[in-house]
Amino acid sequence: EAGVTQFPSHSVIEKGQTVTLRCDPISGHDNLYWYRRVMGKEIKFLLHFVKESKQDESGMPNNRFLAERTGGTYSTLKVQPAELEDSGVYFCASSQHGVRYEKLFFGSGTQLSVL
Amino acid sequence: RKEVEQDPGPFNVPEGATVAFNCTYSNSASQSFFWYRQDCRKEPKLLMSVYSSGNEDGRFTAQLNRASQYISLLIRDSKLSDSATYLCVVKGSSNTGKLIFGQGTTLQVKP
Repeated sequence: EAGVTQFPSHSVIEKGQTVTLRCDPISGHDNLYWYRRVMGKEIKFLLHFVKESKQDESGMPNNRFLAERTGGTYSTLKVQPAELEDSGVYFCASSQHGVRYEKLFFGSGTQLSVL
Repeated sequence: RKEVEQDPGPFNVPEGATVAFNCTYSNSASQSFFWYRQDCRKEPKLLMSVYSSGNEDGRFTAQLNRASQYISLLIRDSKLSDSATYLCVVKGSSNTGKLIFGQGTTLQVKP
């Protein structure tokens, strides 16, 4: 069974540019999460989708970040315009139906470098 | 104050040693607790859930003290392959899937 896949694995962009990260969750997983790890800091929650609906977006840093999950399948996270402090590793995770099902499967992450 | 606090280490131990990691959390309403393992430049992977009664999985034992808001992980008979960062993770109320991560404790097991 395929795991959570993320694309690209690495992205290097200049400040002010736009970047779109993609996550394909495990098939059948209704819950999809985005997390971010900035260098030297802990992994932090960004947002949570249940199917195509945003269940919790309390961790989104500001309105330069836009997450979508059209059709409740894959998700994209767009950063526009990117700033230096957006650099970090962006992880996507998915889990089966219901938040009580607690085992999250993480993708291998997208390393974003904003220069 | 961070919501989940861990000693970052690193802990350098010889093979066969027993090592313990501790973690404290600030939100007394937290419902679920986990230890994740993260290898260098890899994604976090669930190592084990932590239950109030304490639980064991092979060489790994996890304990939870709700009164002290304290979680521990004990690794017995350390192997070289145990070298990794161990993340203490807390989930809030049952209505949210949001996980709160500690910064992680780095373990290096040496021959």
